[in-house]
Amino acid sequence: RKEVEQDPGPFNVPEGATVAFNCTYSNSASQSFFWYRQDCRKEPKLLMSVYSSGNEDGRFTAQLNRASQYISLLIRDSKLSDSATYLCVVNRVNTGKLIFGQGTTLQVKP
Amino acid sequence: DAMVIQNPRYQVTQFGKPVTLSCSQTLNHNVMYWYQQKSSQAPKLLFHYYDKDFNNEADTPDNFQSRRPNTSFCFLDIRSPGLGDAAMYLCATSRDWGEGTGAKNEQFFGPGTRLTVL
Repeated sequence: RKEVEQDPGPFNVPEGATVAFNCTYSNSASQSFFWYRQDCRKEPKLLMSVYSSGNEDGRFTAQLNRASQYISLLIRDSKLSDSATYLCVVNRVNTGKLIFGQGTTLQVKP
Repeated sequence: DAMVIQNPRYQVTQFGKPVTLSCSQTLNHNVMYWYQQKSSQAPKLLFHYYDKDFNNEADTPDNFQSRRPNTSFCFLDIRSPGLGDAAMYLCATSRDWGEGTGAKNEQFFGPGTRLTVL
C-alpha cells in the first residue's frame, strides 16, 4: 500500500462547481499534512497546511480525519485558473521528509 | 521578496557529460532539498541538507552528488548523466526538519531546472 494515495482523476468540472478531492495516508502517526498545487511544467506551490481538524482559506477548505486517515480538499466556486494538479503531502513519521501523493488533476471548463 | 532561485531554468547536456545545477535561497531556511520529478510522477527526494549535514536517500544513485557551501546555496552535480536522468530537478527549502506540526516543515520550491540529456 502506498504511503499517500490519491485518485489521479482527471476531474472535469464546469466553472462555478464545487469539487472535492480525497487523500488517504497509511501511517496513523503522521503529523504534518499539506496540499500543494502544481501547474503543468511548473514547481509545486504550497496551497494549504492542514492543522488540527482542518482549515479554510477563501474558496478552499481542507479537512483532516485522523480516525479514518484521510485528508480532503474542497474547492468552491471553481475558476478556470484552478485547473492544475493537486498534490496531497504527508510527513514521514519521525522525520521531516514529505511524502507526495501522485496528484489529482482538475480541469475546470467554461 | 524572499524566494528560492534555480539556475539555469533549462539545461541541455550530452550523455555522460557532467552537469551542475544551482539553487539559492533568501529565506534563511535551515534545510535545503533536491527532488527529481519525471512527467506525471510525484517529486522524488534525492537528498537534503540540514544546515551542513548531508542526508542521502537510500535509493539515490551515486551519480548524483550535492554540495552546500553556505546557508544560501546548494548545488546538484550529476557526474555522468544518462538518458534516464532527463527530468525536472526541483530545489526546496524549509525552516526546519523534524516531527510535529506547524509551519517548520512547510517546503517552498524553486521554479526547477528542466534537464535534457542528448
